[in-house]
Amino acid sequence: SYDLTQPPSVSVSPGQTATITCSGDILADKYTYWYQQKAGQSPVVVIYQDTNRPSGIPERFSGSTSGNTATLTVSGTQAVDEADYYCQAWDSSTAIFGGGTKLTVL
Amino acid sequence: QEQLVESGGGLVKPGGSLRLSCAASRFSFSDYSMSWIRQAPGKGLEWVSSISSSGSTKYYADSVKGRFTISRDNAKNSLFLQMNSLRAEDTAVYYCARDGVYGSTRNWFDPWGQGTLVTVSS
Repeated sequence: SYDLTQPPSVSVSPGQTATITCSGDILADKYTYWYQQKAGQSPVVVIYQDTNRPSGIPERFSGSTSGNTATLTVSGTQAVDEADYYCQAWDSSTAIFGGGTKLTVL
Repeated sequence: QEQLVESGGGLVKPGGSLRLSCAASRFSFSDYSMSWIRQAPGKGLEWVSSISSSGSTKYYADSVKGRFTISRDNAKNSLFLQMNSLRAEDTAVYYCARDGVYGSTRNWFDPWGQGTLVTVSS
């Protein structure tokens, strides 16, 4: 089975750029999806199919991929962006989630 | 706005059973694959099971295979998860979620319900 590895935590100052990575062999040829989960709430997709942003998600959220690493970038981070972020991919018929990254806006 | 509402969670003893339900509204339920995803207290997300729009194809995580059964009733816009032989490690908030693509499967999960808590303890 495949694993997706994320850093446990990322800290950023307001207005700065936050970068969250997700690495795994499966990402070399599978789409990556990113979810935001604020405290006490259900997850919400912020990036789908590597780079696409759903309607309603602010433009400061962007996704990219290179080889077996996917990256979620939050530009001009705001206090409301403080949350846990999870990457996800499909390995055939199994959905895999990364361990999650806690984004702290200092 | 599409809506998913889970129910059926609660406290159950190890070895016991529980049936979760998810009521869907404001979208064409029968046209979407559906999934269950869980989150143990203070932990990350873990995919549990998915079912195709017709109900003919089902996928399970190894951790629940043989113990959990996913099903759906398209006439009633409802998704179910029958959980048998429950273990302490099954304790989690269980979310139902819709596939992000109409008529497809194995895409992103969107939207998610608010979750229902299952606690397995003696």
